[in-house]
Amino acid sequence: EDKVVQSPLSLVVHEGDTVTLNCSYEVTNFRSLLWYKQEKKAPTFLFMLTSSGIEKKSGRLSSILDKKELFSILNITATQTGDSAVYLCAVVKATNKLIFGTGTLLAVQP
Amino acid sequence: DAGVIQSPRHEVTEMGQEVTLRCKPISGHNSLFWYRQTMMRGLELLIYFNNNVPIDDSGMPEDRFSAKMPNASFSTLKIQPSEPRDSAVYFCASSVEGPHNEQFFGPGTRLTVL
Repeated sequence: EDKVVQSPLSLVVHEGDTVTLNCSYEVTNFRSLLWYKQEKKAPTFLFMLTSSGIEKKSGRLSSILDKKELFSILNITATQTGDSAVYLCAVVKATNKLIFGTGTLLAVQP
Repeated sequence: DAGVIQSPRHEVTEMGQEVTLRCKPISGHNSLFWYRQTMMRGLELLIYFNNNVPIDDSGMPEDRFSAKMPNASFSTLKIQPSEPRDSAVYFCASSVEGPHNEQFFGPGTRLTVL
């Protein structure tokens, strides 16, 4: 059965800390992996990853995919309170089926 | 652009009633997605359409749920009859082409079935 597992389930850090969120997957016919950020409302897109080893970067956020070990990480450096959110990982299969992980709840304290 | 528009934003109904949720995707997007989010199950894809045609409805929980997309600018998700376990936030999202591209989510409809 296809599955996407995120860890940790929740995390509390202080402003300025660096955090690493993990997403591991077991799916057949992998196509791409997506990261979304969800604050109090709807998810917003962060990254799409299709190739191993190529880092995607946007400001203090970056992400990389390892298709051999079947995982991705999302890094946030110099965290701010505005980074507090649920971070969702999703895998898209070649059939275009989409599977979401349960998310990591990040709380950044001042 | 106004983004993805969903209505109603909140719906409270009694068990057994029919519920219809509505979505207008972003103009020019040809893929539309319906999701359900609960604390217990997280975010689940229910169904997605490409060019108004249902592509993957494997996430639709049961026959009580149905979705239609009569044209490129409108979709509905219907639950009949509704049950308390259907209480959730229902999101609609759209993208230029398929789930592997950036999806833009609507604000969601919070459904409560009493």
